[in-house]
Amino acid sequence: DVKVTQSSRYLVKRTGEKVFLECVQDMDHENMFWYRQDPGLGLRLIYFSYDVKMKEKGDIPEGYSVSREKKERFSLILESASTNQTSMYLCASSLPQQGFGEKLFFGSGTQLSVL
Amino acid sequence: TQLLEQSPQFLSIQEGENLTVYCNSSSVFSSLQWYRQEPGEGPVLLVTVVTGGEVKKLKRLTFQFGDARKDSSLHITAAQPGDTGLYLCAGDTGANSKLTFGKGITLSVRP
Repeated sequence: DVKVTQSSRYLVKRTGEKVFLECVQDMDHENMFWYRQDPGLGLRLIYFSYDVKMKEKGDIPEGYSVSREKKERFSLILESASTNQTSMYLCASSLPQQGFGEKLFFGSGTQLSVL
Repeated sequence: TQLLEQSPQFLSIQEGENLTVYCNSSSVFSSLQWYRQEPGEGPVLLVTVVTGGEVKKLKRLTFQFGDARKDSSLHITAAQPGDTGLYLCAGDTGANSKLTFGKGITLSVRP
């Protein structure tokens, strides 16, 4: 069974802390993504990666960075957490469908609260 | 960024009722996907539509892509409590673009 695993379901951090969100996929997918999901705003793309050590900014990269040292692992880093980064964070990997866009496989999400 | 508008935003219905929800845009998409997200889980892909006018069925769910490939609808026949969840549409404009997601439709089916 294919799986995208996010290391924590719930996380509570304090303002100013450095936060690491980890994501691992077991499908040998090249593409990986980090989204945040907020009520009324939908899913917004933070960063994505097409290959090891490669990263691209999404729509809302400010305040975030990422790391992809191994193909199966994609980490999201909040260098100095702020209260407006309280959100549900979703990691995904994708299987390109020729001519059909990408089929995204999502993890179960990490609900991050920054106090 | 292309905008995908989903409507209605919230829907609460009784088990056994039929419903149709919509995903609209002013942009043309090379493909459009529908995902369902259950509480506490990530979204799961239900279907991808590619051809204008295409209709796909998944048990009691019927998905249609508009002729101009700018909009899509999801019809559920005889809704069940297990259909409860957030329904997201996502469009792809091709040329290696990233998926654009709508804000979602929260569906609640009461027993």
